[in-house]
Amino acid sequence: QKEVEQDPGPLSVPEGAIVSLNCTYSNSAFQYFMWYRQYSRKGPELLMYTYSSGNKEDGRFTAQVDKSSKYISLFIRDSQPSDSATYLCAMSYNDMRFGAGTRLTVKP
Amino acid sequence: KAGVTQTPRYLIKTRGQQVTLSCSPISGHRSVSWYQQTPGQGLQFLFEYFSETQRNKGNFPGRFSGRQFSNSRSEMNVSTLELGDSALYLCASSGQPTSGTYNEQFFGPGTRLTVL
Repeated sequence: QKEVEQDPGPLSVPEGAIVSLNCTYSNSAFQYFMWYRQYSRKGPELLMYTYSSGNKEDGRFTAQVDKSSKYISLFIRDSQPSDSATYLCAMSYNDMRFGAGTRLTVKP
Repeated sequence: KAGVTQTPRYLIKTRGQQVTLSCSPISGHRSVSWYQQTPGQGLQFLFEYFSETQRNKGNFPGRFSGRQFSNSRSEMNVSTLELGDSALYLCASSGQPTSGTYNEQFFGPGTRLTVL
């Protein structure tokens, strides 16, 4: 079993939909939780960072961390075609562990 | 501010050869981390360097090595290449060390290595 599990998708939604992306993990030592977005032929870029449990909102993006369930989520409201990318969850305590990434397509 | 640059962007090698990849971090950043990205395994941590010292190392064989220079530029070397080493190699820079704590990392575009 991998330390970080993420459904690779692909996920296809119509423009304006609410997107829910999720990861589960097994190592309770993880303290820092991140979501990255990666466009084709580019490196990942940080979207959201959360320390420990809780919610964090930034514009159309909301990140949630539930350490008791070892579950993290990223919600995208009013999704746009420009949100089409691969979304990677990541977490760390000593070094970074990434999920496999979920490929999202938002159709106009 | 210029971002993280990696050279070359694409590389084709044959089994048994060795390869050196280069990463120039964002100006002022002293931490450089390397990652391997493959469709099957996703992004995996290779190692982190800070001020020319290796701070942390992932679970990769000794064929994978790295170093960091006084100007913070970093190189990664893979010796005796295997087919399974075909991957996108990403480097990320940060102002401070990231191992054991959190400091935002900025990724470069990666070097696509193909081993034939």
